[in-house]
Amino acid sequence: DTEVTQTPKHLVMGMTNKKSLKCEQHMGHRAMYWYKQKAKKPPELMFVYSYEKLSINESVPSRFSPECPNSSLLNLHLHALQPEDSALYLCASSQIPGQEGSGANVLTFGAGSRLTVL
Amino acid sequence: DAKTTQPPSMDCAEGRAANLPCNHSTISGNEYVYWYRQIHSQGPQYIIHGLKNNETNEMASLIITEDRKSSTLILPHATLRDTAVYYCIVRDYRDDKIIFGKGTRLHILP
Repeated sequence: DTEVTQTPKHLVMGMTNKKSLKCEQHMGHRAMYWYKQKAKKPPELMFVYSYEKLSINESVPSRFSPECPNSSLLNLHLHALQPEDSALYLCASSQIPGQEGSGANVLTFGAGSRLTVL
Repeated sequence: DAKTTQPPSMDCAEGRAANLPCNHSTISGNEYVYWYRQIHSQGPQYIIHGLKNNETNEMASLIITEDRKSSTLILPHATLRDTAVYYCIVRDYRDDKIIFGKGTRLHILP
């Protein structure tokens, strides 16, 4: 299995809703990432989990709450979002964080979850 | 901030080689050069990476200058399916932070 699977593919939510985005990989990767991408812009890093511990939080508002229940799963919990949070949310994983060597740091991305906040 | 500079857009005729440049003049000794591409509304796809030697795989070739301050991604025989945004990323293998620059939008012309 060489894929990162993201669900749902599309999500529409109101500003008072609570929802979650899910990401799963079965490649044995030990680092997982959340990126946010607005139209015609590059992906922006939000969070990084390394060996199931949060290693990077890029000053993301608290209405986004990441969770890494185990090495294969990554969630992004959403609450009280704003319309400007509408974007494509990308999950990625990489093999072994912090290790030199071919392939160790290559990111594998999922297809993304397209979020619309009304 | 991204550590790379790329032209915003390029055109290439179908069947010709596409040469995409990337400037990374502040690269340090522990930093690798990675290339990804993103086809419209899909997740980015890894293409190739290198440290100082030129690299080739089934998708592309990566040419890194001797001083490592710039590199070129070569798609040897471009097809319409290669139309995408191409991102050049410099990353220290010890660093979890992977920052995308603005990339180059490559148009393959029939």
